[in-house]
Amino acid sequence: DTGVSQNPRHKITKRGQNVTFRCDPISEHNRLYWYRQTLGQGPEFLTYFQNEAQLEKSRLLSDRFSAERPKGSFSTLEIQRTEQGDSAMYLCASSSKWGANHNEQFFGPGTRLTVL
Amino acid sequence: AQSVSQHNHHVILSEAASLELGCNYSYGGTVNLFWYVQYPGQHLQLLLKYFSGDPLVKGIKGFEAEFIKSKFSFNLRKPSVQWSDTAEYFCAVRREYGNKLVFGAGTILRVKS
Repeated sequence: DTGVSQNPRHKITKRGQNVTFRCDPISEHNRLYWYRQTLGQGPEFLTYFQNEAQLEKSRLLSDRFSAERPKGSFSTLEIQRTEQGDSAMYLCASSSKWGANHNEQFFGPGTRLTVL
Repeated sequence: AQSVSQHNHHVILSEAASLELGCNYSYGGTVNLFWYVQYPGQHLQLLLKYFSGDPLVKGIKGFEAEFIKSKFSFNLRKPSVQWSDTAEYFCAVRREYGNKLVFGAGTILRVKS
């Protein structure tokens, strides 16, 4: 169990640029989640995948945001035309529907985005 | 919509003091409840969870939490804190059979040695 990994860990970009983040979940986990965390707040849910299907999206996920999980393994989160308000920590989590820890979400270290 | 309220944003305690962090949620249906911890420089880790059964739940590192359904509360407790408990603590709720976690704003705990 190598845990959830995220890349890059830090990203600095200029307003208007596009950015893409990657999440590799725990290998046997079929469920994957994206959250966003801003300073002084808890994580806020963005979207959820079961295998390759995106089953739930938050209203926070504007049309500039898109997430994919093409083969049901890793996932990418892309933000187009970044704005300063997009600056946040983007967290990925995964879970399995089986086993002793079923439905427990394991979090990755996050990608910290700074939009200048 | 669900929401979670954590009563204190910052708590400072001396070592060996007792800890209680408040958490209240708003949702009328059946919920699953969680406490996560984030130590400095580390990622979120699960401390304990409640799905059903005994409302007093024991987690790792001597932490426990009590679910009081009538008060919509899930307070976290530890009888005697250590310097190593310095961290940020998040309460989270998920509606039964739901997917997303709804988090509180977090409580930063600093334990003085």
